[in-house]
Amino acid sequence: AQSVTQPDIHITVSEGASLELRCNYSYGATPYLFWYVQSPGQGLQLLLKYFSGDTLVQGIKGFEAEFKRSQSSFNLRKPSVHWSDAAEYFCAVGVTGGGNKLTFGTGTQLKVEL
Amino acid sequence: EPEVTQTPSHQVTQMGQEVILRCVPISNHLYFYWYRQILGQKVEFLVSFYNNEISEKSEIFDDQFSVERPDGSNFTLKIRSTKLEDSAMYFCASSGAGAALATNEKLFFGSGTQLSVL
Repeated sequence: AQSVTQPDIHITVSEGASLELRCNYSYGATPYLFWYVQSPGQGLQLLLKYFSGDTLVQGIKGFEAEFKRSQSSFNLRKPSVHWSDAAEYFCAVGVTGGGNKLTFGTGTQLKVEL
Repeated sequence: EPEVTQTPSHQVTQMGQEVILRCVPISNHLYFYWYRQILGQKVEFLVSFYNNEISEKSEIFDDQFSVERPDGSNFTLKIRSTKLEDSAMYFCASSGAGAALATNEKLFFGSGTQLSVL
């Protein structure tokens, strides 16, 4: 079965600094990969997804992620973090033939210092 | 952007009581889902629903759980006899054409219902 690991439970960055959130997946074939963000009191919002093609994926709010098959990773990046980016970030994987079921990681809580 | 709406945002119940969590998916969507997140743990898939029947369910979704689309707009999750370990945030989600993973379709999530079982 597929799984997702987000090794960092909490990350703190200064506003304006760059950000990288790590995500590793386990699955035998090419997965579908997602990043979601959850702000307090809000639902899960899709930032970006990878399902084929270019391994560098651009998302909303200035985020991007790169699929690296050799490392089984799909890390999320942003060149300059804004205070409003403080939220919880979830990496998720879906698989061929798995319907629309997503398997989520445990999340990374991002704190932004002003 | 269209929204999935969940009510109530918080629900407190006594162990053994029945609860119904309500969701209004996006109006032209065809596929509906429930996920849950126990505090400090992963978001877990519970069930998917299409064409008025369950299309997939996880091992968590036992006989205590049921889903229903009672009318053209609502999608409900019922827990028949709640247990302490059912305390979690429950998320409803919906998608359009269903092949959300392999196309540009998106899975839209609601803001969740926090269920506390005492």
